[in-house]
Amino acid sequence: DVKVTQSSRYLVKRTGEKVFLECVQDMDHENMFWYRQDPGLGLRLIYFSYDVKMKEKGDIPEGYSVSREKKERFSLILESASTNQTSMYLCASRKTNSYEQYFGPGTRLTVT
Amino acid sequence: GIQVEQSPPDLILQEGANSTLRCNFSDSVNNLQWFHQNPWGQLINLFYIPSGTKQNGRLSATTVATERYSLLYISSSQTTDSGVYFCAVSGNTPLVFGKGTRLSVIA
Repeated sequence: DVKVTQSSRYLVKRTGEKVFLECVQDMDHENMFWYRQDPGLGLRLIYFSYDVKMKEKGDIPEGYSVSREKKERFSLILESASTNQTSMYLCASRKTNSYEQYFGPGTRLTVT
Repeated sequence: GIQVEQSPPDLILQEGANSTLRCNFSDSVNNLQWFHQNPWGQLINLFYIPSGTKQNGRLSATTVATERYSLLYISSSQTTDSGVYFCAVSGNTPLVFGKGTRLSVIA
């Protein structure tokens, strides 16, 4: 069974803090993705990675960075959290020669 | 980029009723997936269906790629079908998601 895990289900941080969201997959997938989900907006792509140490900007990368030092782990970093980054964050992974994408359980981040 | 529109945005059904959810997309795609997001936020793959028809139990999906739409059918709905249904498509780029259809099935 494909398994994608995220470090926290719920997280509360203060404005200005540096925030790390971790995602780990155990399927040897090359491709990993970070999305945020907001009511009425669906899922929007923040960053993705096709392989270790590779990263590509998605549709809304501003205020975020990522790190992919190991194949199984993809980290999303909020350098200085702001209240407009309060959202549900979803990680996903996919094998290069497969179209099917698998999601983690999500992290609901609140920035106060 | 590719645009994805889903309809209806919200749907309330009595348990046992059938429903059809629609996904329109603006360009040719080689990947189309339907997902169900349960009330706890977990997204579950339902179908990978860039063309043709597939069935899985009470759920089935049809994609008419030449006309750029896909339909998800839910028959004999159950309360556990409640949640948000997303359609997502891509060409050679990451998946682009629609805004979803929120389904509430009432006992």
